[in-house]
Amino acid sequence: DVKVTQSSRYLVKRTGEKVFLECVQDMDHENMFWYRQDPGLGLRLIYFSYDVKMKEKGDIPEGYSVSREKKERFSLILESASTNQTSMYLCASIPHGSGANVLTFGAGSRLTVL
Amino acid sequence: DAKTTQPPSMDCAEGRAANLPCNHSTISGNEYVYWYRQIHSQGPQYIIHGLKNNETNEMASLIITEDRKSSTLILPHATLRDTAVYYCIVRVRDRGGSQGNLIFGKGTKLSVKP
Repeated sequence: DVKVTQSSRYLVKRTGEKVFLECVQDMDHENMFWYRQDPGLGLRLIYFSYDVKMKEKGDIPEGYSVSREKKERFSLILESASTNQTSMYLCASIPHGSGANVLTFGAGSRLTVL
Repeated sequence: DAKTTQPPSMDCAEGRAANLPCNHSTISGNEYVYWYRQIHSQGPQYIIHGLKNNETNEMASLIITEDRKSSTLILPHATLRDTAVYYCIVRVRDRGGSQGNLIFGKGTKLSVKP
């Protein structure tokens, strides 16, 4: 089975801190995604990547950046964390190919910014 | 914006079939319909997907109307562990022709009750 692993399930950070959220997948998928999920707002796409060193903005990229130096790893970076970035962050991956491929999610990282 | 419309919530009695509707009236001919669910504080879990024909797996059945403008996810014998938010998603393609992200709406919160 495809496995998407997020490095931290729970994090607590202070305003202004730099935060790294790591995601690793073990099935050689080209596409990787970062979402955030907030009550009443559903899942919103922050950034995605089609391949190593490639990245595209999603719907809400402001305040975030990403890094894809290796195919298996997609990192989400909060340069200066703010309280409105308190959220559940979800990483997902999927291979290139037909529309029938399945997006696989990690367990999520719940970030609290104080 | 999500390309699907779902009721915000539904109840189902334990042991009965749960039928979750989804409207996707603007779906394109090559777009698949996916269903995911999310149990509280976990990442979304893939359930089933389809293009034109009805599909069944060990978790659920997917019924897609002939005009493909709507679908129904059926959990044949709902259990308390099926209580979750269920997302109906239409797969989009990005500008580059690679596989695009899944756009999640707010889903249907299914409550299975004893």
